[in-house]
Amino acid sequence: AQSVTQPDIHITVSEGASLELRCNYSYGATPYLFWYVQSPGQGLQLLLKYFSGDTLVQGIKGFEAEFKRSQSSFNLRKPSVHWSDAAEYFCAVGKAAGNKLTFGGGTRVLVKP
Amino acid sequence: SQTIHQWPATLVQPVGSPLSLECTVEGTSNPNLYWYRQAAGRGLQLLFYSVGIGQISSEVPQNLSASRPQDRQFILSSKKLLLSDSGFYLCAWNQLSYNEQFFGPGTRLTVL
Repeated sequence: AQSVTQPDIHITVSEGASLELRCNYSYGATPYLFWYVQSPGQGLQLLLKYFSGDTLVQGIKGFEAEFKRSQSSFNLRKPSVHWSDAAEYFCAVGKAAGNKLTFGGGTRVLVKP
Repeated sequence: SQTIHQWPATLVQPVGSPLSLECTVEGTSNPNLYWYRQAAGRGLQLLFYSVGIGQISSEVPQNLSASRPQDRQFILSSKKLLLSDSGFYLCAWNQLSYNEQFFGPGTRLTVL
């Protein structure tokens, strides 16, 4: 069965600093990988996705993620964080298009002024 | 374009009362539908998913049930709520033509 681990429960970063959120997955084949963001009391919004091709994926809001098969990782990055990036971030893995997803436990990001 | 709605947005219910949460999708047909629960400070737990009318798969044993009476309608129910049913309930959909899942705005349920 597939699984997703987000090792960091909370991360605090200063506005303007860089951000990296870790995601490790367990799955036998090439997975479908996703990063979602959730603002308090809201649904989840897709930031970016990977299922084939270039291993560096660009998403919305200035985020990018890199798929590293050798490390079973799909880490999310942003060069310069804005106060509006304070939210909870979820990594997810799926087996195929249209399939159910397995989510990590989430990382809550706090942005200091 | 496709949209997903959840109703109600918030709900406060006493222990032992029944529950009915509704999710509807517009702008697509034959979607896969999902119910997730998000307890305070925790990640998303998949409760049920459905690949078609009347087809429900349960992911975890619990006090809840799901039904899909129409193609784009997904309902989460309980006959008697427990305190542990409190949480944020999210509905989502996807299809073969979409790799990702699209989420609704959620329902905040508080059981007192």
